[in-house]
Amino acid sequence: QKEVEQNSGPLSVPEGAIASLNCTYSDRGSQSFFWYRQYSGKSPELIMSIYSNGDKEDGRFTAQLNKASQYVSLLIRDSQPSDSATYLCAVNNGAAGNKLTFGGGTRVLVKP
Amino acid sequence: NAGVTQTPKFQVLKTGQSMTLQCAQDMNHNSMYWYRQDPGMGLRLIYYSASEGTTDKGEVPNGYNVSRLNKREFSLRLESAAPSQTSVYFCASRVITDTQYFGPGTRLTVL
Repeated sequence: QKEVEQNSGPLSVPEGAIASLNCTYSDRGSQSFFWYRQYSGKSPELIMSIYSNGDKEDGRFTAQLNKASQYVSLLIRDSQPSDSATYLCAVNNGAAGNKLTFGGGTRVLVKP
Repeated sequence: NAGVTQTPKFQVLKTGQSMTLQCAQDMNHNSMYWYRQDPGMGLRLIYYSASEGTTDKGEVPNGYNVSRLNKREFSLRLESAAPSQTSVYFCASRVITDTQYFGPGTRLTVL
């Protein structure tokens, strides 16, 4: 069983709508959580980090964390065609080296 | 300030050949990481270096070696390349807040 799970998609959303991405993780000791965006052929870039239960908002992005249920989600409001990318969920379980475990990514397509 | 740089950008090898992927960061980060990315697999950690002078295995270390040459540079070596090592390789470095920043990647094909 993969430690960090994401629906591979594609998640197709119309322009202006809300895209909702989910990620579940298996290690209850996980302490920090990240969402990376990766355009085709490019490297991942950090868009959100979240460390405590609840919501964290940054512009059009909102990350939600529920440690009891072991999931983290990302909402993209007012989706734009430029949001079309693969979104990677990453989890740090606090072990030595501060290693990240990545999910397989969710591909998002925003249609004009 | 270039961030994380990687060379080469592309490489084609024949089975059994060796090569070294270079990574450098100019952000004075202590920790550096090597990942590989295969379609649908996300990123998998090959090796990491928590600080200058230390290296440790990640999830998929077989067939690879690393050298933390100094605080800036962290290289990945394939001693005898195999087709299963065809992948995109990313180097990353980490700030104290545990956010990792990635280099542009190296696309490696092993024939």
